[in-house]
Amino acid sequence: DVKVTQSSRYLVKRTGEKVFLECVQDMDHENMFWYRQDPGLGLRLIYFSYDVKMKEKGDIPEGYSVSREKKERFSLILESASTNQTSMYLCASSPGQDTYEQYFGPGTRLTVT
Amino acid sequence: LAKTTQPISMDSYEGQEVNITCSHNNIATNDYITWYQQFPSQGPRFIIQGYKTKVTNEVASLFIPADRKSSTLSLPRVSLSDTAVYYCLVGGHNQGGKLIFGQGTELSVKP
Repeated sequence: DVKVTQSSRYLVKRTGEKVFLECVQDMDHENMFWYRQDPGLGLRLIYFSYDVKMKEKGDIPEGYSVSREKKERFSLILESASTNQTSMYLCASSPGQDTYEQYFGPGTRLTVT
Repeated sequence: LAKTTQPISMDSYEGQEVNITCSHNNIATNDYITWYQQFPSQGPRFIIQGYKTKVTNEVASLFIPADRKSSTLSLPRVSLSDTAVYYCLVGGHNQGGKLIFGQGTELSVKP
């Protein structure tokens, strides 16, 4: 079974802090994705990556950056956390560009105070 | 990526068949239709995908009419554990697997 793990289930940070959310997948998948999920807004794509060191902006990239130095690891970075970034963050991976079967991690609930 | 419209919520009882319809009027020729399920405090999980007619797996069936402007996810004999949010997504293979999630349908199964 594909396993996607995220570094924390719950995280509390202060406004202005730099925050790292880590995601690791164990199935040698090409693609990795970061979403945030908010009540009433559904899941929104922040960034995605098709290969190591490659990244593309999703629908809401402002205030975020990403890093993919190794194929199995995709990091989401909040350069200066703000209260409007309080959300559930979900990481996903998929094996190739011709598939819509994404495997999601359990999510990280981030609270910025 | 085609926009989808589905009911915000649905109620059902255990043992019933549940049909959730999704409208996607501007679906493109190379778009596939995909459904995901999400339980509270978990990431979404892929259920089924189809292009036309009918697709069935161990979890659900997906019915797609000839014009492909809508699709229906059918869950046979639901149980309490099927209470979840169900998302309908439409996209093409030339979009690199990028998914656009809508609001989803919150299904509540009652005893």
